[in-house]
Amino acid sequence: GEDVEQSLFLSVREGDSSVINCTYTDSSSTYLYWYKQEPGAGLQLLTYIFSNMDMKQDQRLTVLLNKKDKHLSLRIADTQTGDSAIYFCAESYNNAGNMLTFGGGTRLMVKP
Amino acid sequence: ETGVTQSPTHLIKTRGQQVTLRCSSQSGHNTVSWYQQALGQGPQFIFQYYREEENGRGNFPPRFSGLQFPNYSSELNVNALELDDSALYLCASTPAGGRYEQYFGPGTRLTVT
Repeated sequence: GEDVEQSLFLSVREGDSSVINCTYTDSSSTYLYWYKQEPGAGLQLLTYIFSNMDMKQDQRLTVLLNKKDKHLSLRIADTQTGDSAIYFCAESYNNAGNMLTFGGGTRLMVKP
Repeated sequence: ETGVTQSPTHLIKTRGQQVTLRCSSQSGHNTVSWYQQALGQGPQFIFQYYREEENGRGNFPPRFSGLQFPNYSSELNVNALELDDSALYLCASTPAGGRYEQYFGPGTRLTVT
């Protein structure tokens, strides 16, 4: 079945770059997503990438996809304290693209 | 701000009871999905509705059921509540024509005692 894995925790200093990694197992994944969740809140869609792309950049966010290794990463440039949150990687596993399988989340802590 | 609202915010129920959670999405969002997020874990897909019909289901028993209404609102019903049903329940909607984007509401925190 589908499985999405993430490291549990990442700590960086304000102003540094953060790189959050994710691996997935379903080679038929169509889209891969990054969501952000702040304490007590729902999930905020940050960005997504189609599986035939290698990279997508959106302001401070850069997504890299290595389809051969089934590895996805999210780079946050100039990380700010407001970026502290849990980041979830997710894949869509059917043709409709609406049913998501999430990883366990990576808690990003940004130190001033 | 996603335009997806959920009610109630918090709820406490007793084991064996039934609960109904509600979600309201934006006009034109004709697909709604429900997810369960246990503490410290990622969300798990429960089911999805498209044009008022169930369009897919995750690994959840039949006591989890849903409805979608023509006014873009939906419900998640859970019967015979168990302690393990304690979680954050998230609703997500997808705009027509934006089939690969899901916008989440703030969730309903359900505690079963």
